[in-house]
Amino acid sequence: SQQGEEDPQALSIQEGENATMNCSYKTSINNLQWYRQNSGRGLVHLILIRSNEREKHSGRLRVTLDTSKKSSSLLITASRAADTASYFCATEGGSRLTFGEGTQLTVNP
Amino acid sequence: DVKVTQSSRYLVKRTGEKVFLECVQDMDHENMFWYRQDPGLGLRLIYFSYDVKMKEKGDIPEGYSVSREKKERFSLILESASTNQTSMYLCASSFQNLASTDTQYFGPGTRLTVL
Repeated sequence: SQQGEEDPQALSIQEGENATMNCSYKTSINNLQWYRQNSGRGLVHLILIRSNEREKHSGRLRVTLDTSKKSSSLLITASRAADTASYFCATEGGSRLTFGEGTQLTVNP
Repeated sequence: DVKVTQSSRYLVKRTGEKVFLECVQDMDHENMFWYRQDPGLGLRLIYFSYDVKMKEKGDIPEGYSVSREKKERFSLILESASTNQTSMYLCASSFQNLASTDTQYFGPGTRLTVL
């Protein structure tokens, strides 16, 4: 079964709005990563947050991690049409990553 | 920048054919991975490798094999392609990090259709 599960499965917003995606996982982790995938392409790493961190920023991205609830969120502020993509969280299982099914984000111009 | 390349973006093969998918990375990464991605199922790990000539089964290795003769190259082999192997195949690589799982760098993907 998948370690990480994203919520919602799909999200549609207007340009300029903020987008929030959530990820829940089951077992203890050393880090949690977020990836982005444009349609028909490979995944691109966005941000990694370690288990001893609660919040991390990178440009318009803000990631939070709550290890007590085994959950993480990815916030994209001031969204743009170019942010349209699928977003995946990835958690560790042994020495490998396990990906969720992703959130499909559509940003309408 | 890390570059992971895959031999084909699109591939069409017939049932029963032997299919080779090649992946090359230029960052001297120890770890390499093969995933398949299907709608509603997300990314599923087929095989991975921590070193040359070394391989480990992932979650769905049946019907696949791999080869890693050189550090930079990781090949996925479909011995006898079947229609249920029609999918997007993604290769990835990462540094060896004994403390935790490191960032993975992905290739552009190969969309394989088996007729």
